[in-house]
Amino acid sequence: NAGVTQTPKFQVLKTGQSMTLQCAQDMNHNSMYWYRQDPGMGLRLIYYSASEGTTDKGEVPNGYNVSRLNKREFSLRLESAAPSQTSVYFCASRPGGPYNEQFFGPGTRLTVL
Amino acid sequence: AQSVTQPDIHITVSEGASLELRCNYSYGATPYLFWYVQSPGQGLQLLLKYFSGDTLVQGIKGFEAEFKRSQSSFNLRKPSVHWSDAAEYFCAVDPNDYKLSFGAGTTVTVRA
Repeated sequence: NAGVTQTPKFQVLKTGQSMTLQCAQDMNHNSMYWYRQDPGMGLRLIYYSASEGTTDKGEVPNGYNVSRLNKREFSLRLESAAPSQTSVYFCASRPGGPYNEQFFGPGTRLTVL
Repeated sequence: AQSVTQPDIHITVSEGASLELRCNYSYGATPYLFWYVQSPGQGLQLLLKYFSGDTLVQGIKGFEAEFKRSQSSFNLRKPSVHWSDAAEYFCAVDPNDYKLSFGAGTTVTVRA
């Protein structure tokens, strides 16, 4: 099992450019999540998908969109990147039901100039 | 407001010494509680978790944590630190809605 994979690992964008971060999991998990990590702030939830076909906003959704393409894949799109979106982005997945933890991918380091 | 607090931004400890990292939360009911570790440039690895039952939880790499309901705390401990324990540690809380709220993290430096 590869677990949770993310592409790309690194990306540099110019202000106003768009891009999509890809995430896939091979653990047959129902729920998937996107977080951003900024120094001194821990991880903050951007969007999540409780199950295939559903998505919902987290704590910091502005400037982002998501797509739950199928049960395995959950993408995060920046339509018009801003310097404030410079961050490390983590995808996570979780089995359904209680008493379960989230499993994290290796992260994507994004710099917006 | 609901929150997760890790009071210590940075801790330096000597190799072989004990380590305790503090975590406090403010949620109405007892949430699910987690500690994750992040080595430089890496993703997050789960150290241990608490859902219910025994309030002293054992995890990987020799770590343990104790849930204290009266103090709304879930402190992480290790009796003897190794140089490889240098990392950033995150306390996380799931208030039974399957989403995580994280503390700001504590960076641990291990000196020889």
